[in-house]
Amino acid sequence: QVQLQESGPGLVKPSQTLSLTCSVSGVSVTRGSFYWTWLRRPAGKGLEWIGHSYGSGTTNYSPSLGSRVAISVDTSKNQFSLDLRSVTAADTAVYFCAINWALDAFDVWGPGTSVTVSS
Amino acid sequence: SYELTQPPSVSVFPGQTASITCSGDKLGDKYVCWYKQKPGQSPVLVMYGDSKRPSGIPERLSGSNSGNTATLTISGIQATDEAEYYCQAWASSAAWVFGGGTQLTVL
Repeated sequence: QVQLQESGPGLVKPSQTLSLTCSVSGVSVTRGSFYWTWLRRPAGKGLEWIGHSYGSGTTNYSPSLGSRVAISVDTSKNQFSLDLRSVTAADTAVYFCAINWALDAFDVWGPGTSVTVSS
Repeated sequence: SYELTQPPSVSVFPGQTASITCSGDKLGDKYVCWYKQKPGQSPVLVMYGDSKRPSGIPERLSGSNSGNTATLTISGIQATDEAEYYCQAWASSAAWVFGGGTQLTVL
């Protein structure tokens, strides 16, 4: 059974870097057929795709987040990570990791982790 | 950038049929997925490939996609169907795009 679990600080100061980790169990992150994906849902707003890593480390990111975001995969710990730089209050959200495990869609999700950007 | 548009809310009585639309330029040329999210929970995939139901999703849910509009239809509405529903598609700019979400309210 594939399971994902997000972790990271619940509070980040403005202008700093938000760093989250998604621990993976039940499948190896070395499997290139999956999109190791980060998404978020800001309070009062809808779901937003942040980006993903797939294959041998190819990444795609949301154009709206531009160069502030980086997603990486750590094969030694079987996890993947999100770094979001220069955060503002607008980055306050519940962050989710997800993969396309069995279907051509995000069919496995972590429970989510809430992150607040505030001084 | 590619955009998907959903109505903010849909309200139906129990037992009736709800249709949630998702509009985008030439959306019928793309595969659309639908997710259901309840407060405090992770989203759940309820439809993929326009009209395919994942295991465990009841037959009351169906999907279609043609032209510029995809539709998620839920028949025999139950109280447990009340949730936020999101459509999703792959934009040609190598990015996934979500609609703004539709709050389904069971009256």
